[in-house]
Amino acid sequence: DSGVTQTPKHLITATGQRVTLRCSPRSGDLSVYWYQQSLDQGLQFLIQYYNGEERAKGNILERFSAQQFPDLHSELNLSSLELGDSALYFCASSAQGDNQPQHFGDGTRLSIL
Amino acid sequence: GEDVEQSLFLSVREGDSSVINCTYTDSSSTYLYWYKQEPGAGLQLLTYIFSNMDMKQDQRLTVLLNKKDKHLSLRIADTQTGDSAIYFCAETVAGGSYIPTFGRGTSLIVHP
Repeated sequence: DSGVTQTPKHLITATGQRVTLRCSPRSGDLSVYWYQQSLDQGLQFLIQYYNGEERAKGNILERFSAQQFPDLHSELNLSSLELGDSALYFCASSAQGDNQPQHFGDGTRLSIL
Repeated sequence: GEDVEQSLFLSVREGDSSVINCTYTDSSSTYLYWYKQEPGAGLQLLTYIFSNMDMKQDQRLTVLLNKKDKHLSLRIADTQTGDSAIYFCAETVAGGSYIPTFGRGTSLIVHP
């Protein structure tokens, strides 16, 4: 158990819809990272938050957004969903300091019908 | 730029040693990581090595780093069926955002 909790585990929805994925980091971790894992693209970094502020941005689409709340949990919002958004979405957290290893949640599997 | 390459598949017999290889392109890498992903689960951190080290051993796991060739390997001794999983290599580089770049993963299949 990594200590990172993601909900829901599975999500099935239709094109054009909007969903919210939730992540609770390990106790004490200030950084939260979001990744998308698909068969054709591998593991793609989307965005990082540190103590409520956006710290780094990766290959995140404009239709996607995220935030980190004062209690350090984070949400990833995906809107105007397309078939190609079907993937596993992982959250990871790390302790304060650069180069701290990331600890991953079990992911949310998003299926777009 | 950063690029991390791994072979896609490795098949070994139970009890043998497994060696999973990874190459990277950025010579300013600072930390290199190995993660394991079992079906239906997230990535589990197995071990990591700082770039000024050549080797790190942790029970059945041995990590070897060849900085000259930009080559990282993970050796699993006495491989068991429970070791069947996808193994990801990742690196972070100095002067960047310290976001790791991941390889595509090597699927390790252990057969009796």
